[in-house]
Amino acid sequence: GAVVSQHPSWVICKSGTSVKIECRSLDFQATTMFWYRQFPKQSLMLMATSNEGSKATYEQGVEKDKFLINHASLTLSTLTVTSAHPEDSSFYICGSRDEGQGEEQYFGPGTRLTVT
Amino acid sequence: DAKTTQPPSMDCAEGRAANLPCNHSTISGNEYVYWYRQIHSQGPQYIIHGLKNNETNEMASLIITEDRKSSTLILPHATLRDTAVYYCIVRADSGYSTLTFGKGTMLLVSP
Repeated sequence: GAVVSQHPSWVICKSGTSVKIECRSLDFQATTMFWYRQFPKQSLMLMATSNEGSKATYEQGVEKDKFLINHASLTLSTLTVTSAHPEDSSFYICGSRDEGQGEEQYFGPGTRLTVT
Repeated sequence: DAKTTQPPSMDCAEGRAANLPCNHSTISGNEYVYWYRQIHSQGPQYIIHGLKNNETNEMASLIITEDRKSSTLILPHATLRDTAVYYCIVRADSGYSTLTFGKGTMLLVSP
């Protein structure tokens, strides 16, 4: 299957600072990438859909000015958590599809964000 | 997308078959059944998907009932590394269709 990487795998930051998470498709071109968030003992919740060269589509209740998404190339999408607060501490996961192969989504290994 | 119902947890002995059920009684004709799993602190892993025929790959088998209202994921010889949360998701295949994760089934494989 297609390979998706994320960086960093974990990050600790102070409250009020910003953190950038990268999601890369390693062996395919990704027109669309998906960003999810997962709180402890809960399921994945879709935050936004990122489209190469255009603005992201955010799910209801997700603040677009707080979670900045940039999908500037077919292999890289970034999620920036701005002015992070402890309640933003979560597991952030990106996913994508290899449109040349099928409809399955493939996911990165996730990024554990802890805001102190 | 149609809603799915899965048992919250299941146990399986190592080496035995794990049969994970999923109910999706409101599934539409153009919706596929997808299975993913998530090992602790990792991203979800695609397992298998199907429309109405049974499917098999190197990881698992998917059995879909004739009325398509339920399905079973079968791991033929479970190993300790199969311990994970398994998600059954119903989704229409289109270029922009997203995945909606429910609570899944926590499968614990024991020695």
